[in-house]
Amino acid sequence: ETGVTQSPTHLIKTRGQQVTLRCSSQSGHNTVSWYQQALGQGPQFIFQYYREEENGRGNFPPRFSGLQFPNYSSELNVNALELDDSALYLCASSQGQARLFGPGTRLTVL
Amino acid sequence: AQKVTQAQTEISVVEKEDVTLDCVYETRDTTYYLFWYKQPPSGELVFLIRRNSFDEQNEISGRYSWNFQKSTSSFNFTITASQVVDSAVYFCALSGGSQGNLIFGKGTKLSVKP
Repeated sequence: ETGVTQSPTHLIKTRGQQVTLRCSSQSGHNTVSWYQQALGQGPQFIFQYYREEENGRGNFPPRFSGLQFPNYSSELNVNALELDDSALYLCASSQGQARLFGPGTRLTVL
Repeated sequence: AQKVTQAQTEISVVEKEDVTLDCVYETRDTTYYLFWYKQPPSGELVFLIRRNSFDEQNEISGRYSWNFQKSTSSFNFTITASQVVDSAVYFCALSGGSQGNLIFGKGTKLSVKP
């Protein structure tokens, strides 16, 4: 198993900027989902990609967007950053109900 | 709507005590999955167990055990003879519906003191 990796580990941005977070999938997994975890809260589902198409989305505004690439790696893009976007962003790759989380990217918006 | 409730925000025990973490869920799906994850301070979510809605058998894995009761919509997690390394935030989660995404509770922070 190669596991799920995320980059960068930490990131500091200012309000209004844009950010791109990256995730590489576990080998053999064709689905990637992203979660936002605010401090002291449980992770919240942002969206999910299956074979390069978004096939599920949580209650997040359009300034949260994503991509999945042919190798099943993924990006999460957030435009017009707000202070409340400060959180741990977790990526999970899955095949059916077998789901593996990455270590997360901690984003701080000042 | 689907929902997971973990009523215990924080629990503190002394090493070797048994501790039970409660989880209550709501769903209208007949087929769903329940999960427990451990999140140490490093932040990574560590998978502990997955149960499907048709399998109500309790499960034991070493010091960990899980009690799934559909009648009360509960999926409780017990750690026997707790250890300091068990200190973490534990999340219960539910998966079901068309999207199959996880719906997490707010987590229970467990502190095990030596």
